[in-house]
Amino acid sequence: QKEVEQNSGPLSVPEGAIASLNCTYSDRVSQSFFWYRQYSGKSPELIMSIYSNGDKEDGRFTAQLNKASQYVSLLIRDSQPSDSATYLCAFRQAGGTSYGKLTFGQGTILTVHP
Amino acid sequence: NAGVTQTPKFRILKIGQSMTLQCTQDMNHNYMYWYRQDPGMGLKLIYYSVGAGITDKGEVPNGYNVSRSTTEDFPLRLELAAPSQTSVYFCASSPHRATETMNTEAFFGQGTRLTVV
Repeated sequence: QKEVEQNSGPLSVPEGAIASLNCTYSDRVSQSFFWYRQYSGKSPELIMSIYSNGDKEDGRFTAQLNKASQYVSLLIRDSQPSDSATYLCAFRQAGGTSYGKLTFGQGTILTVHP
Repeated sequence: NAGVTQTPKFRILKIGQSMTLQCTQDMNHNYMYWYRQDPGMGLKLIYYSVGAGITDKGEVPNGYNVSRSTTEDFPLRLELAAPSQTSVYFCASSPHRATETMNTEAFFGQGTRLTVV
C-alpha cells in the first residue's frame, strides 16, 4: 500500500464550480497535513495546513481532515482559471522511526475551463 | 531573508560523472528534505534530516548521499550519474514545531533541473 494516494486525475471543472480533491494516507501516527499547489515549472507552494479533525477554511479553500478514516480533502469553491495547477497532498509523520518524514502524493492535475 | 536557496538551477552531466547539489536555508529550520520530481509525477523523497548530524533515507535513496553538518546546509551528492537520475530536484525545509507566527509547512527552493546524457 502506498503511503499516500490522491484521487486520480486529471480533474476538469467549469469556472465557478466546486473542485474536490481527495487524499488517503496509511500512517496512523501522522500529525500534520498539507495541501500544496504547483504550477508547471515552478516549486510547490502551500495552500493549507491542517492538524485537527474537522474543517479549516481559508477564503475559497476548505480542507477537511478525518484521522479515523485516514482521509484529507481540499475543496475549492468558485474555481477560477488561475486555479489550474497540480495539487499535492502531504503528511508529516510525528513518531516512530520515521519521525519528521514528509511524504507527498502523486498529485492531481486540475483544469478550470472558462 | 532568502528562504531556501538551491544551486545550480540547471546542470547537464555525462554518465558516470559526479556532482553536488547545494541547498541552504536561513530560517533556522530543523527539518530539511530532498525530493526529485519526474515529469507528470509527484515528489519522491530521497533523503531527509531532522537536525544537524542526523539523516534518514526516503523512498528513493539509491545513487545519492547527503550530509548535514550544519543547520543551514543540506547538500545532495550524486555519484556515478545515470540517465535515470534525470529529474528536477527540490530541496525544502520546515520548522519542527509551530509557533505563534509560523506553522510547520515546508518551504521549497526553486529547484535544480538535472539532465544526465
